[in-house]
Amino acid sequence: GENVEQHPSTLSVQEGDSAVIKCTYSDSASNYFPWYKQELGKGPQLIIDIRSNVGEKKDQRIAVTLNKTAKHFSLHITETQPEDSAVYFCAASSPLPWAGSYQLTFGKGTKLSVIP
Amino acid sequence: SQTIHQWPATLVQPVGSPLSLECTVEGTSNPNLYWYRQAAGRGLQLLFYSVGIGQISSEVPQNLSASRPQDRQFILSSKKLLLSDSGFYLCAWSVGGDTEAFFGQGTRLTVV
Repeated sequence: GENVEQHPSTLSVQEGDSAVIKCTYSDSASNYFPWYKQELGKGPQLIIDIRSNVGEKKDQRIAVTLNKTAKHFSLHITETQPEDSAVYFCAASSPLPWAGSYQLTFGKGTKLSVIP
Repeated sequence: SQTIHQWPATLVQPVGSPLSLECTVEGTSNPNLYWYRQAAGRGLQLLFYSVGIGQISSEVPQNLSASRPQDRQFILSSKKLLLSDSGFYLCAWSVGGDTEAFFGQGTRLTVV
């Protein structure tokens, strides 16, 4: 099955600096890669995603890059703000036995702290 | 719009007691439903998924079970809780296909 590795596990940056989180995956059949942000005591929320037919996607201060050949993808947050502090998870989608159904395999998360 | 409700938010249960966590989805039909567990410092582990009423698949052997009595209702149960069942449980849904999952707010379960 799919295996997703995520690094680093913790990351501290000064406000205004950039943050980069990297993930690798094992299943070359995976085609969908979402990133989630989880605030303390809450469920994860999608912040950006990318599909395998695209190499990069940007949404304001957040960008994701995908290298399908190397099987790795990264999250980039620029001009970080204190409210960016949270746990971030990457994930890769892989098919379930039922046609048209998929599951997300998650990395172990990165705790990002933005220091004012 | 679609919403997902998960309750209770927190739960403290003694070892050996039963468990029932409920999750309901509104605003969509025939969703794929998922139960995940999140242990401290670890990622989200898929416990169960369901692609339709009465269909449940388990990803890992454990002390828990799941049921889907209605299209948009997903229940996580245990007959006798173990200390190791403590964790943060998350229900999620997706429309099926290769797309995002939407998560509930989670239940913090502490077994004492």
